[in-house]
Amino acid sequence: DADVTQTPRNRITKTGKRIMLECSQTKGHDRMYWYRQDPGLGLQLIYYSFDVKDINKGEISDGYSVSRQAQAKFSLSLESAIPNQTALYFCATSDPNRNEQFFGPGTRLTVL
Amino acid sequence: AQTVTQSQPEMSVQEAETVTLSCTYDTSESDYYLFWYKQPPSRQMILVIRQEAYKQQNATENRFSVNFQKAAKSFSLKISDSQLGDAAMYFCAYRSANRDDKIIFGKGTRLHILP
Repeated sequence: DADVTQTPRNRITKTGKRIMLECSQTKGHDRMYWYRQDPGLGLQLIYYSFDVKDINKGEISDGYSVSRQAQAKFSLSLESAIPNQTALYFCATSDPNRNEQFFGPGTRLTVL
Repeated sequence: AQTVTQSQPEMSVQEAETVTLSCTYDTSESDYYLFWYKQPPSRQMILVIRQEAYKQQNATENRFSVNFQKAAKSFSLKISDSQLGDAAMYFCAYRSANRDDKIIFGKGTRLHILP
């Protein structure tokens, strides 16, 4: 069973639409992250959360918002999608005791 | 701010041979962690190896080993006995030990394995 799951795995949407990407984890970690991957740019941090009441902006938070509904759930929203938000999006959790992040399978988002 | 640089966008190696992927980083901190992640065509991010900066001994995981040169801020990955399943994007990454555990990634090196 996957420890970090993301839904949907693939999504095509149109400019101006609101879209939500969801992440769930069964690892029991408090810390969760959203990253964006563009070709040739590696992964960039969008938002991160250390617990339900602690949410922080990353490097590229403009145009995005997040919601931490529970320890196990962390959602990323695009309020009004634009084509340059076309990318691969990863959710991750962190075990600070092991200094390691665990990634979900990714969501490929295409904005037309 | 910390940066991670991977100067080789693509590399190729013959199956069963050894290949080294380069990574340099910039930081003013003395305590941190370095990682190599593998991303195969399935796009899953897989941790290959981890190095704590306070450890002088280079980390090793089976066919994967690192050459950690702290003074030079260099962290290369050596893959021995390359296998077809090693073909993937490889990302070098840095995490500070003193702050939020955000990870800073390099831009990646695409590794091709030639049969």
